[in-house]
Amino acid sequence: DQQVKQNSPSLSVQEGRISILNCDYTNSMFDYFLWYKKYPAEGPTFLISISSIKDKNEDGRFTVFLNKSAKHLSLHIVPSQPGDSAVYFCAAGAHNDMRFGAGTRLTVKP
Amino acid sequence: DAGVIQSPRHEVTEMGQEVTLRCKPISGHDYLFWYRQTMMRGLELLIYFNNNVPIDDSGMPEDRFSAKMPNASFSTLKIQPSEPRDSAVYFCASSHGTSGGARTQYFGPGTRLTVL
Repeated sequence: DQQVKQNSPSLSVQEGRISILNCDYTNSMFDYFLWYKKYPAEGPTFLISISSIKDKNEDGRFTVFLNKSAKHLSLHIVPSQPGDSAVYFCAAGAHNDMRFGAGTRLTVKP
Repeated sequence: DAGVIQSPRHEVTEMGQEVTLRCKPISGHDYLFWYRQTMMRGLELLIYFNNNVPIDDSGMPEDRFSAKMPNASFSTLKIQPSEPRDSAVYFCASSHGTSGGARTQYFGPGTRLTVL
């Protein structure tokens, strides 16, 4: 039972353009959402988060948008850089029980 | 701080053998999580502990899997007997609980397990 879904297994964008990664969740009890970034042979590292009381959180080139009515969140990376190439995991949960999506592999081409 | 430490980084074993994965969480963190990553299912939560007590083990695939946390600085995930379908990368993560609940988890580098 996948409560968090990332329907695009991969995404390829040109350097300098916008990358948009999407995530859907099913559990309306989720009140906190995070994005993690993972490079090969490393563990996921925290990137950005948003709580359910907000609909947008921005940190430099990274912005997360939350649409609670649609149970959808997205991560925007502007401008995309080759170093952003990694697997991005969406996570959602309540308290300490976080559920992760399957990940989207982002490739930023120079 | 050295971050979350996992050992071994790679483990190759034969079907039927016992496998033990180890994790040292970040000092001061009171939550510890075990995940399994596969191509098909992404990151799956197996079990998590709070103050060394297992809170939710509903993600543990079957009785062949067991996890312990004898103290605040050490946890093990054991598979006995191992099967080829257990081949995956296993991650340990820890976090610090707050009044609002722990949020950001810090992951170790993972253990790549191959069962032949």
